[in-house]
Amino acid sequence: GENVEQHPSTLSVQEGDSAVIKCTYSDSASNYFPWYKQELGKRPQLIIDIRSNVGEKKDQRIAVTLNKTAKHFSLHITETQPEDSAVYFCATLDGGYNKLIFGAGTRLAVHP
Amino acid sequence: KAGVTQTPRYLIKTRGQQVTLSCSPISGHRSVSWYQQTPGQGLQFLFEYFSETQRNKGNFPGRFSGRQFSNSRSEMNVSTLELGDSALYLCASSLAGRIGNEKLFFGSGTQLSVL
Repeated sequence: GENVEQHPSTLSVQEGDSAVIKCTYSDSASNYFPWYKQELGKRPQLIIDIRSNVGEKKDQRIAVTLNKTAKHFSLHITETQPEDSAVYFCATLDGGYNKLIFGAGTRLAVHP
Repeated sequence: KAGVTQTPRYLIKTRGQQVTLSCSPISGHRSVSWYQQTPGQGLQFLFEYFSETQRNKGNFPGRFSGRQFSNSRSEMNVSTLELGDSALYLCASSLAGRIGNEKLFFGSGTQLSVL
């Protein structure tokens, strides 16, 4: 089955800096790559996703890039703010299409 | 529209007992997935139901089971609880069930503690 590795497990940045989280996957057939954000004590929420027919997608301060050849995708957050502090999970589909496999998560701390 | 509702919010059980957790999806959503969340392990997929049928399951022992009712509400059951079952159990719903084409809406979870 699909396997997703996520790095780093923790990330600490100063407000205004950029943050990058990277995930690698094993199944070359994967074609959907979402990112979820989970604030402390809250439910995970989708923040951005990308499909395999594009290499990059942006939404204001966040962007996701995909390298299908190398089988990795990354979340980029620019001009970080304290409210970006959360756990971020990458995910991709298992071959069966009804099973999202998540990475272990990255705890991002943005310090004022 | 009400979000995904999970009950109860907290549960404390002892080893060997069994437990049933409930999940009510967003109205009109027919797919319900269950995940186990533990520190450092991320979200581990348990199973997914669509129109009362289990379409996919993760690598959990048979003590973990689930079902879905005709109104799309879902329950998961864990029998013969072990200490390692302590976790946050999250359910998520989606509209039509092609998870690759739409996002998951998560509930707040049930925090299970096994003593």
